[in-house]
Amino acid sequence: AQSVSQHNHHVILSEAASLELGCNYSYGGTVNLFWYVQYPGQHLQLLLKYFSGDPLVKGIKGFEAEFIKSKFSFNLRKPSVQWSDTAEYFCAVNSRTGNQFYFGTGTSLTVIP
Amino acid sequence: DTAVSQTPKYLVTQMGNDKSIKCEQNLGHDTMYWYKQDSKKFLKIMFSYNNKELIINETVPNRFSPKSPDKAHLNLHINSLELGDSAVYFCASSQFSSETQYFGPGTRLLVL
Repeated sequence: AQSVSQHNHHVILSEAASLELGCNYSYGGTVNLFWYVQYPGQHLQLLLKYFSGDPLVKGIKGFEAEFIKSKFSFNLRKPSVQWSDTAEYFCAVNSRTGNQFYFGTGTSLTVIP
Repeated sequence: DTAVSQTPKYLVTQMGNDKSIKCEQNLGHDTMYWYKQDSKKFLKIMFSYNNKELIINETVPNRFSPKSPDKAHLNLHINSLELGDSAVYFCASSQFSSETQYFGPGTRLLVL
């Protein structure tokens, strides 16, 4: 069965620390990949997405993610986190045929000032 | 202007009641979705609708039924509410079913 795994469930960092959140998926076909962020009490918002082309994609607020096809991974990175990055982060995978859309279980990030 | 809107924002009700949550999108998208987010923040897709056809129906109880009067609306009806239905329900839409989804603000349902 297709699935999305986010290995870090809770991450606590100090401001200015570097961030990397892991995301692996299992799907044999061609996929679109997404990272969404959910700030406390708010709805999900798109951070960045990969459909094709350069596997290193840049999103809003200084986030970036790298698609490594051979590893079925799409890890999220930010070189220096801020307190305002405290949120839940969800990786999502959608098959190109569009009938299957899967979210990971989410990673809770807490940034300490 | 709100792209994806949901009403109500909060819903507190007794077990056994029937309730509905409304969702509207003004983005002209052709696919709409309902998700359930539990207390652990786990997000599970419940339904999606494309041109009034149900194309995904995950293993949710048949007490839950989506109703789409037109392309811009996908309402969620819940019959005989149970304690375990307490969660945040998010509506979303996308241009095509493989494209980026835009989420509504969520409806926080509490069943007492």
